[in-house]
Amino acid sequence: GNSVTQMEGPVTLSEEAFLTINCTYTATGYPSLFWYVQYPGEGLQLLLKATKADDKGSNKGFEATYRKETTSFHLEKGSVQVSDSAVYFCALSDRSNYKLTFGKGTLLTVNP
Amino acid sequence: DAMVIQNPRYQVTQFGKPVTLSCSQTLNHNVMYWYQQKSSQAPKLLFHYYDKDFNNEADTPDNFQSRRPNTSFCFLDIRSPGLGDAAMYLCATSRFGGDWGTGELFFGEGSRLTVL
Repeated sequence: GNSVTQMEGPVTLSEEAFLTINCTYTATGYPSLFWYVQYPGEGLQLLLKATKADDKGSNKGFEATYRKETTSFHLEKGSVQVSDSAVYFCALSDRSNYKLTFGKGTLLTVNP
Repeated sequence: DAMVIQNPRYQVTQFGKPVTLSCSQTLNHNVMYWYQQKSSQAPKLLFHYYDKDFNNEADTPDNFQSRRPNTSFCFLDIRSPGLGDAAMYLCATSRFGGDWGTGELFFGEGSRLTVL
């Protein structure tokens, strides 16, 4: 079956630091890959996505590249802000079913 | 311009008193999901509707039921809430079919349930 493994954290950074949250996956076929973000007390929001190998998803300064050879989709941001403090979930979806498989989530705290 | 709307945002109930949470969508998506999320853990899928077809996850307790009267609305009924059912309940939608799309799910803001 499908699975997603992501760095669990928590991760604590200072403002303007570089962020990497690792995510690797196991899936049959050619899944779509996602990063969702959840701010305190809110629902999940799509941060970025990639639907095929070598695609790069980007949004709000965050980037992730779909690497089929390493089955990875690591999230990066060059300079984090306090407002980026949230829980980040890596997820995949494939055409064999229409459910998302989530990683366990990574809590990011950015200090001023 | 919220596309997936959940009500209420906050629900307080007493132990054993039935609760209904609602979800509506303006996306005309054919799949609707209910997730349970505790303490920033990953959301746990309870069930989903593919069009009118109901699909229950194997480990979803019988205490949880759902209704989808039309494409736009879906309800989560908790028949006898226990303390362990206190959680955030998330509704989501997606489009699945011949033109599969990306498989992206669109989430509502969630309904936080407190059980006293």
